[in-house]
Amino acid sequence: AQSVAQPEDQVNVAEGNPLTVKCTYSVSGNPYLFWYVQYPNRGLQFLLKYITGDNLVKGSYGFEAEFNKSQTSFHLKKPSALVSDSALYFCAVRDHPNDYKLSFGAGTTVTVRA
Amino acid sequence: SAVISQKPSRDICQRGTSLTIQCQVDSQVTMMFWYRQQPGQSLTLIATANQGSEATYESGFVIDKFPISRPNLTFSTLTVSNMSPEDSSIYLCSVEDLDSPKETQYFGPGTRLLVL
Repeated sequence: AQSVAQPEDQVNVAEGNPLTVKCTYSVSGNPYLFWYVQYPNRGLQFLLKYITGDNLVKGSYGFEAEFNKSQTSFHLKKPSALVSDSALYFCAVRDHPNDYKLSFGAGTTVTVRA
Repeated sequence: SAVISQKPSRDICQRGTSLTIQCQVDSQVTMMFWYRQQPGQSLTLIATANQGSEATYESGFVIDKFPISRPNLTFSTLTVSNMSPEDSSIYLCSVEDLDSPKETQYFGPGTRLLVL
């Protein structure tokens, strides 16, 4: 079975400071890992993914994430947060090639204060 | 990525009634999925909509409650039947095209349902 944990319900940072949203995963096969963002009253937007290759992946809006196999983690980062980054962030995992289904974490609410 | 639209965007319904949600994609896709996001919760997969055959439901979801159709490669519907207040959620469709090496699900804007 595959699962994702986002240990922080909320993350609060000041604008201009680094932002990190944590995610750990559990799969039996090879993990395909994803980050999505949900703005208020909007659907989910794809940010970035790790499939294979370089452990550091870059995505939309200046976000990046680092895949760490030994720690089974895939933390989302942004060097300098903006107020507009305030949203709900979901980490998701897919157990490849065993399954095509996505399992989502509980979500982390990010608030960036001006 | 594919452009996905959903109708209606929101609705308020009375208990005991049914609502059909439509998902339209601007290109042919291999896989279509339906998710539920209950208030303050994460996303839970309801079922995979299979073109030309019965949908594949996840544990805890049944066809009588959530009938799904997928008549072609660009369109699917989800019906929430005999609704109760517990069905108040955001319902999202997502798509993935296995024919292109993207391995990514893209989501529609969601349908916000409130059952009174």
